[in-house]
Amino acid sequence: DAGVIQSPRHEVTEMGQEVTLRCKPISGHDYLFWYRQTMMRGLELLIYFNNNVPIDDSGMPEDRFSAKMPNASFSTLKIQPSEPRDSAVYFCASRSPGTSSYNEQFFGPGTRLTVL
Amino acid sequence: LAKTTQPISMDSYEGQEVNITCSHNNIATNDYITWYQQFPSQGPRFIIQGYKTKVTNEVASLFIPADRKSSTLSLPRVSLSDTAVYYCLVGDILGDKLIFGTGTRLQVFP
Repeated sequence: DAGVIQSPRHEVTEMGQEVTLRCKPISGHDYLFWYRQTMMRGLELLIYFNNNVPIDDSGMPEDRFSAKMPNASFSTLKIQPSEPRDSAVYFCASRSPGTSSYNEQFFGPGTRLTVL
Repeated sequence: LAKTTQPISMDSYEGQEVNITCSHNNIATNDYITWYQQFPSQGPRFIIQGYKTKVTNEVASLFIPADRKSSTLSLPRVSLSDTAVYYCLVGDILGDKLIFGTGTRLQVFP
């Protein structure tokens, strides 16, 4: 398996523009997580899905952020409109059911977002 | 979710054993202790997990005392490639949320 795939790897946009980040989890994994990492705030959980259903979005900073998972192999995180303070690395992670390591999540390479 | 406390940074030299201790005084009965490693420009990677006593795998060992209020990640004979940030997390098997703290930045020198 190729692991968790994220695209794009880098995104530079201007304030006010819409940004869409994409994630393909590992096949067979039923949990999908979106994280954001900054120097100031560290690694924060934004939202997670189980079997394509959003379970907890309490980490989503505000209404400008939205996430969807239309099927088991694809998820998007959208920011509209984007602001400079959204600049961060966004990670997607997935987890397998029935793993012997209960808290083992597999992270993607991340998308580095820069909002000018 | 139990809060964890770990040193902000540690330095070591190649070939040495490194022990990183994490405090989790409010750990609950159902909580497991998990450690992740993160290299620059990469996502975190699961290293090891345990509930009590000692767990060992090909990468590291995890020591957990009887009261489980702390844990120690042990990296034997570190190399330059072990330079990374190490996160200690605590959570139960039914909990899906992982709370990453500030982590410990390990720098290995030649």
